[in-house]
Order: sequence, then structure tokens, then C-alpha cells
Amino acid sequence: QVQLQESGPGLVKPSQTLSLTCTVSGGSISSGDYYWSWIRQPPGKGLEWIGYIYYSGSTYYNPSLKSRVTISVDTSKNQFSLKLSSVTAADTAVYYCARVEIVERAFDIWGQGTMVTVSS
Amino acid sequence: SSELTQDPAVSVALGQTVRITCQGDSLRSYYASWYQQKPGQAPVLVIYGKNNRPSGIPDRFSGSSSGNTASLTITGAQAEDEADYYCNSRDSSGNHYVVFGGGTKLTVL
Repeated sequence: QVQLQESGPGLVKPSQTLSLTCTVSGGSISSGDYYWSWIRQPPGKGLEWIGYIYYSGSTYYNPSLKSRVTISVDTSKNQFSLKLSSVTAADTAVYYCARVEIVERAFDIWGQGTMVTVSS
Repeated sequence: SSELTQDPAVSVALGQTVRITCQGDSLRSYYASWYQQKPGQAPVLVIYGKNNRPSGIPDRFSGSSSGNTASLTITGAQAEDEADYYCNSRDSSGNHYVVFGGGTKLTVL
């Protein structure tokens, strides 16, 4: 079955760029039925949608983060990636990647999540 | 963009029925999806669409919607149902955005 796995640095310095990659296994990222998404969860808080990408490269971002977020896709590697620039301590969170069913916008498969701490 | 509002905490006696609600303007146009999250784990989709359960989700979980309110009902709550529950839906502004509710902590007594 389809599985997602996040990877990237667990510690990022303030003002730098956070970079994470999600590797999709057991299925193709080029399936036309899904978006591929990033979500984050600060410690002790709720879920925040960051954005998603279609395999063609079309992207949609949370308006509150849009100026700092870039999501890209590499279909040859079956991966998609997140870059979040100018990070502060407020960006400290568990970052999840997930597959999103397009019609209902249901996040049906999630990665295990990776903790990213912003600190000098 | 839209907002989805959930009660921060709800409790239920073991074996009883509990309803967790999610309110927002977007729910007048779109169905909510529901997620269960246990401590230290990733969320798991439990209900999506009108009232659909992914494979492996017990049939004690069900969903419904009326007006601007979506509900997740657990009929015969079990100890293992104690978790945080989140709703989400498409944004009502007609674009491609998504919004999550703030989450409800369910305690099974």
C-alpha cells in the first residue's frame, strides 16, 4: 500500500530556510486523483494546512504562509518537497506530509511526521 | 478563508454514544472529513464525504451534516477511542484551500 516518509534536518536556525522532502512508496505520485500536501502541528496545538501540489506542478498555499512557502514535485523520484523561508521559533512543529483525495479534500494517508525545531 | 470551530474537550462514559461537532460556513457547501490522532502519532482519517469510512475503521464511527454543522458520532465508545479529533473541509471561498478545525479532546470515562 501507499506509504509516505518525511526526511530533512531536525534543527534549523532562525532566519534560515526549512527544507523537507516526502518520499512516496507503493504508488505513483503522478496519479491524477490526489494532491500531495504538507501540514504542521506545533507542540500541544492543532493541525495547520501549509499547502499542496498536483503532480503537474500546480500549487495551492495557505494564505497565511504563502509568502514564505514553496512546494515542488519530482515525479522521477516520486517525491515532493517543502521549503519554508525566514523561519522563526513559531515555525517549530511536527511537519507531516499527506496524500489528499481531490474531491472531498480528505487527507487519507499520512507520513509519520518529523519534528523540526527552530533555534540558534 | 473559512474557519471551523470545534469544542475543545468532550467526555463520554465507556460504551455510550458521543457526538463531536464542527461548525463553519464552508460546511454549508462541502462535507467534512474527520481525523483521529493519538499522542505521538500521525492523524488517521476516520470519516470522509457524506459518511464514508476508510478500510479498517470500525463501524461505530459515523458522520453526518446539517446546515453549517458536521458531526462525528461514536456509537458505543471504547477506551481506545480516547484521542484528539479534527475536522477539515474545503474552504468556502471557491478556491482550492483547505481548513482544519481546532480539534476536540475526547476522554472516555
